[in-house]
Amino acid sequence: AQRVTQPEKLLSVFKGAPVELKCNYSYSGSPELFWYVQYSRQRLQLLLRHISRESIKGFTADLNKGETSFHLKKPFAQEEDSAMYYCALDGSGNTGKLIFGQGTTLQVKP
Amino acid sequence: GAGVSQSPRYKVAKRGQDVALRCDPISGHVSLFWYQQALGQGPEFLTYFQNEAQLDKSGLPSDRFFAERPEGSVSTLKIQRTQQEDSAVYLCASSFPSGTSYNEQFFGPGTRLTVL
Repeated sequence: AQRVTQPEKLLSVFKGAPVELKCNYSYSGSPELFWYVQYSRQRLQLLLRHISRESIKGFTADLNKGETSFHLKKPFAQEEDSAMYYCALDGSGNTGKLIFGQGTTLQVKP
Repeated sequence: GAGVSQSPRYKVAKRGQDVALRCDPISGHVSLFWYQQALGQGPEFLTYFQNEAQLDKSGLPSDRFFAERPEGSVSTLKIQRTQQEDSAVYLCASSFPSGTSYNEQFFGPGTRLTVL
């Protein structure tokens, strides 16, 4: 079964501290993985996708097929990073049907 | 231009009522998705359209749920005989195929449905 697991519902860090939001997936083929973010009172939006191997707003995520993980990292958290983060898997063969994790709330304290 | 819009933004229904939720995708976007997001959960896929064709409805929880996109643009999600477990935020997303392996989905603000 295709599944995305985000084990932490809430992650609270101080400004300037490193951040790692965990994501594990279950998928039999070659996965397409993404991180979506929802800031307060805004709509859900794409943060980054593993295939582009890009860094957005200082965040990076590396696909580890051996550990079936796609953790989101940032070396120095900023207060504006406070938001809800969702890890998602496209298990449809690239039609775009997404399977989301339960989400992790990141709270960056001043 | 404008992003994905959804209406109404909030809907309160009495148990047993029928509701209709509307999604206006970004102009020209071929693909349209509906997701259901229960409180404290991530979005869950309901159904997918490519133009007017409904290619995947595997996520619709029961035959009370019905979606259509007759002209390949606006889509309506209809829920008949609403139940309390239908209470959730219903998200619509659209994307435009670009020939790459993944097309970014643009989400609407959602419709929050409360069934009393």
